[in-house]
Amino acid sequence: ETGVTQTPRHLVMGMTNKKSLKCEQHLGHNAMYWYKQSAKKPLELMFVYNFKEQTENNSVPSRFSPECPNSSHLFLHLHTLQPEDSALYLCASSQDKGSVYGYTFGSGTRLTVV
Amino acid sequence: AQSVAQPEDQVNVAEGNPLTVKCTYSVSGNPYLFWYVQYPNRGLQFLLKYITGDNLVKGSYGFEAEFNKSQTSFHLKKPSALVSDSALYFCAVRENTGGFKTIFGAGTRLFVKA
Repeated sequence: ETGVTQTPRHLVMGMTNKKSLKCEQHLGHNAMYWYKQSAKKPLELMFVYNFKEQTENNSVPSRFSPECPNSSHLFLHLHTLQPEDSALYLCASSQDKGSVYGYTFGSGTRLTVV
Repeated sequence: AQSVAQPEDQVNVAEGNPLTVKCTYSVSGNPYLFWYVQYPNRGLQFLLKYITGDNLVKGSYGFEAEFNKSQTSFHLKKPSALVSDSALYFCAVRENTGGFKTIFGAGTRLFVKA
């Protein structure tokens, strides 16, 4: 384990469902991130939270809604998704947004939209 | 705008031979550069970083990377490949002003044959 835990590991949902992805870290980090990983494409930065404040929304569709109730937890709420949203969703954390020490990633949630 | 290019989708090398995984970047100002590795069904793991100083950076598992400012490259190297090095490798660049956004490449799959 890296110290960043993501649940669930796998999720299959219909296009009309509502579900949430959860990310938790107890590393004392103050910045948390959501990335989308699709095959043979660069990781896509979705959202950035620094000290619980959202500092980046990388033109993500509104069917993805992040929530950061505290520095240790990050959620990604999903509703009315499309099949092209199927991907591996990775959560990461760092000491803070400006940290030079790199990111710690979770193992990801493999999302399939049917 | 910052960008990262990993020109090879896959690199094949025999066990015991040296390996190189290529990365070029574009960023305003001095770059912070990173390499991460991803094993199957896992998140990304930090390997090494270049911030400043010596152009040859040493990291985990015997990997090293060479920063070349004139060629805007940051190639990952290892003198003797192991079968267990087979994985997906990501290069990343972070701007060190303003938003501190980290951009990842599309990844290069390394296959080490016994």
